[in-house]
Amino acid sequence: AQTVTQSQPEMSVQEAETVTLSCTYDTSENNYYLFWYKQPPSRQMILVIRQEAYKQQNATENRFSVNFQKAAKSFSLKISDSQLGDTAMYFCAFVNPLTGGGNKLTFGTGTQLKVEL
Amino acid sequence: EAQVTQNPRYLITVTGKKLTVTCSQNMNHEYMSWYRQDPGLGLRQIYYSMNVEVTDKGDVPEGYKVSRKEKRNFPLILESPSPNQTSLYFCASSLRGDTQYFGPGTRLTVL
Repeated sequence: AQTVTQSQPEMSVQEAETVTLSCTYDTSENNYYLFWYKQPPSRQMILVIRQEAYKQQNATENRFSVNFQKAAKSFSLKISDSQLGDTAMYFCAFVNPLTGGGNKLTFGTGTQLKVEL
Repeated sequence: EAQVTQNPRYLITVTGKKLTVTCSQNMNHEYMSWYRQDPGLGLRQIYYSMNVEVTDKGDVPEGYKVSRKEKRNFPLILESPSPNQTSLYFCASSLRGDTQYFGPGTRLTVL
């Protein structure tokens, strides 16, 4: 079974600074997808960024980028120029659409990020 | 606007009173799922559907039912709710089973 581990329950960063959230995962599969979701106080789950395992190039979305290390099974999220609106719980998640369970996302336990003035 | 909608957003009910939480997506997605989020337990899949009339159990299906009669709709049914089903529920949809887009969530309290 796949597992996703986020070892940082809480983090804080000053506005405009850069912060990196860590995530490791365990799987025996070769083709899969990794995601970072953001859950602000509104509780909505918002997709931040995705990475296909077969792509070596790290995904980027504006101020958000990932460092995907497939061999190490590591998938960290870097937020540049942090803004107050980035304050949220961040979840790392894994899916392999081809395995049993359809499209089940396996989530980490989350990292609560607080952006401070 | 491409979106997943859920109704109601908030619901307080009593033990044993049947309820349905609706979910609808306008993206023509094949896959749909229901998750529940509980403190300390994270998000867990309840049921999923890979197409119309095709549904299957996730990790925590006990006490829930689903149906997929149309591609866009995937209601979650609690026929006899109990207090341990108090939770935050999310519906999600996906075109090919990879990237999933979530609805706004339904906060359910069962007294």
